[in-house]
Amino acid sequence: GENVEQHPSTLSVQEGDSAVIKCTYSDSASNYFPWYKQELGKRPQLIIDIRSNVGEKKDQRIAVTLNKTAKHFSLHITETQPEDSAVYFCAAGDGYGNKLVFGAGTILRVKS
Amino acid sequence: DAGITQSPRHKVTETGTPVTLRCHQTENHRYMYWYRQDPGHGLRLIHYSYGVKDTDKGEVSDGYSVSRSKTEDFLLTLESATSSQTSVYFCAITTGQGTDTQYFGPGTRLTVL
Repeated sequence: GENVEQHPSTLSVQEGDSAVIKCTYSDSASNYFPWYKQELGKRPQLIIDIRSNVGEKKDQRIAVTLNKTAKHFSLHITETQPEDSAVYFCAAGDGYGNKLVFGAGTILRVKS
Repeated sequence: DAGITQSPRHKVTETGTPVTLRCHQTENHRYMYWYRQDPGHGLRLIHYSYGVKDTDKGEVSDGYSVSRSKTEDFLLTLESATSSQTSVYFCAITTGQGTDTQYFGPGTRLTVL
């Protein structure tokens, strides 16, 4: 089955700097890659997603890149702000609304 | 919030007792999911449903059963709770209509003593 590895497990950056979180997946059939943000005590919230027919997607300060050949995808957050502090999860799925496999999460701390 | 509610939101129970968690949605979504979240493990799929009476196992289904007799309700049952099932449980749905984005409910914190 699919296995998703996420790095780093914790990341501290200075406000205004960029943050990058990386994930690798094992199943070449996976074609849907969402990223979720979870604040303390809250539910995971989708922040951006990408499908395998696209190499990069941007939404304001957030971008995701996908390298299908290497089976890895990354989340990039620019101009980080204190409110970006949260746990971020990547996931991989087959794109049919079925199962997602999640990474273990990255705790992002933005220091002001 | 995609109209998802979970009940109870918090529960403390004792080892060996049965526990049922409820996920309720108001928008007739076909797919529903149960996950557990534990530190260092992210979210792990327990069971999912693709329609009334249609369910399938996820990666951590041992010790759990589910039922879906109505579109709007997806029940997760721990037949005999164990301390290893202490966790936060999230329900999720996909809205369908050509998208497979999953939206999560508010979660249930379960403690098994």
